[in-house]
Amino acid sequence: DAGVIQSPRHEVTEMGQEVTLRCKPISGHDYLFWYRQTMMRGLELLIYFNNNVPIDDSGMPEDRFSAKMPNASFSTLKIQPSEPRDSAVYFCASRLDRGTYNEQFFGPGTRLTVL
Amino acid sequence: GEDVEQSLFLSVREGDSSVINCTYTDSSSTYLYWYKQEPGAGLQLLTYIFSNMDMKQDQRLTVLLNKKDKHLSLRIADTQTGDSAIYFCAESRTSGSARQLTFGSGTQLTVLP
Repeated sequence: DAGVIQSPRHEVTEMGQEVTLRCKPISGHDYLFWYRQTMMRGLELLIYFNNNVPIDDSGMPEDRFSAKMPNASFSTLKIQPSEPRDSAVYFCASRLDRGTYNEQFFGPGTRLTVL
Repeated sequence: GEDVEQSLFLSVREGDSSVINCTYTDSSSTYLYWYKQEPGAGLQLLTYIFSNMDMKQDQRLTVLLNKKDKHLSLRIADTQTGDSAIYFCAESRTSGSARQLTFGSGTQLTVLP
């Protein structure tokens, strides 16, 4: 398996523009997570899905952020409109619930810069 | 408090041992984890420990767990330059309908030649 795939790897945009980040989880995994990493706040869980259904979006900072998972192999995180304070590295992760320890597999991240 | 806490930086000489410490808050965490993040990459699970264990050893890695004090540590023996990375401690917490990971701020380990 190729692991968790994220695109784009880098995104530079101007304030006010819409940004869409994409994620392909590992095939067969039933959980998908979106995280944001900044120097100030560290690693924050934004939202997670179980079997394509959003379970907890309490970490989504505000209404400008939305996430979807239309099928088991694809998820998007959208920011509209983007602001400079959204600049961060966004990670997608997936896991398979085996009822034991909780290993999440992370993608390489998307580095977002909002000017 | 609500946070998983770690010191931010640690520097060691190549060949020495590194000890990274972490305090967590949820005494009901079943597993505790150490993840490693290399530059420009996502996090990777390094090791984990079940909460009924005090210690776990895996080659150069030793994890110590003190449940009474909610203290977790990771010891890396014979530290190499390739061990330079950010190390995250994580605990499982209930979020929504399932237990998910809550990460500490990460400890940047720098190995000096």
